[in-house]
Amino acid sequence: ETGVTQSPTHLIKTRGQQVTLRCSSQSGHNTVSWYQQALGQGPQFIFQYYREEENGRGNFPPRFSGLQFPNYSSELNVNALELDDSALYLCASSLDFSTDTQYFGPGTRLTVL
Amino acid sequence: QQQVKQSPQSLIVQKGGISIINCAYENTAFDYFPWYQQFPGKGPALLIAIRPDVSEKKEGRFTISFNKSAKQFSLHIMDSQPGDSATYFCAASKDSSASKIIFGSGTRLSIRP
Repeated sequence: ETGVTQSPTHLIKTRGQQVTLRCSSQSGHNTVSWYQQALGQGPQFIFQYYREEENGRGNFPPRFSGLQFPNYSSELNVNALELDDSALYLCASSLDFSTDTQYFGPGTRLTVL
Repeated sequence: QQQVKQSPQSLIVQKGGISIINCAYENTAFDYFPWYQQFPGKGPALLIAIRPDVSEKKEGRFTISFNKSAKQFSLHIMDSQPGDSATYFCAASKDSSASKIIFGSGTRLSIRP
């Protein structure tokens, strides 16, 4: 096990709703990255937080937002859900954003109807 | 535009054989090339990684071969075992970041007993 946990495991929402996904990083890991993995595809980088500040963002619209807290937990928020947002959402934590290995959680499966 | 192209999409290998997965990249700024292994219901896990200052890296049965001039790299799994059956992702990042990763589309590997 990686020591990274995510909740909930599965979630069903309808189009237009808002959703919050949660991640608990390994203790001491200052960096958390979020990825979206569509079915049969590789994960796509959404954004990264380092010491509670956004530290880079992929090609995702502003309705994808995040927070990182001092207790090594973090959130991914998605507003105005679209059908294409249906995917596995993965968080990954690491000690540092530069050269350290990142450890992935098991993901949250989001279905948008 | 797919920055990291991976092939084949799926691969079947007999137990004891060599599994080979190939990747090509476009961005010459990439300077970190990891391979991830993902089992069903789990997040990706770092398998092995290479930086462009070496042409090959070996860890146990897993070897990365890297060709900087051709902008290609590959994963070789020697003496493939049924437990190696999983989806494998090549990936790349720049600025020595191990956490803002661009993933390939994945290869589903099945090892026949």
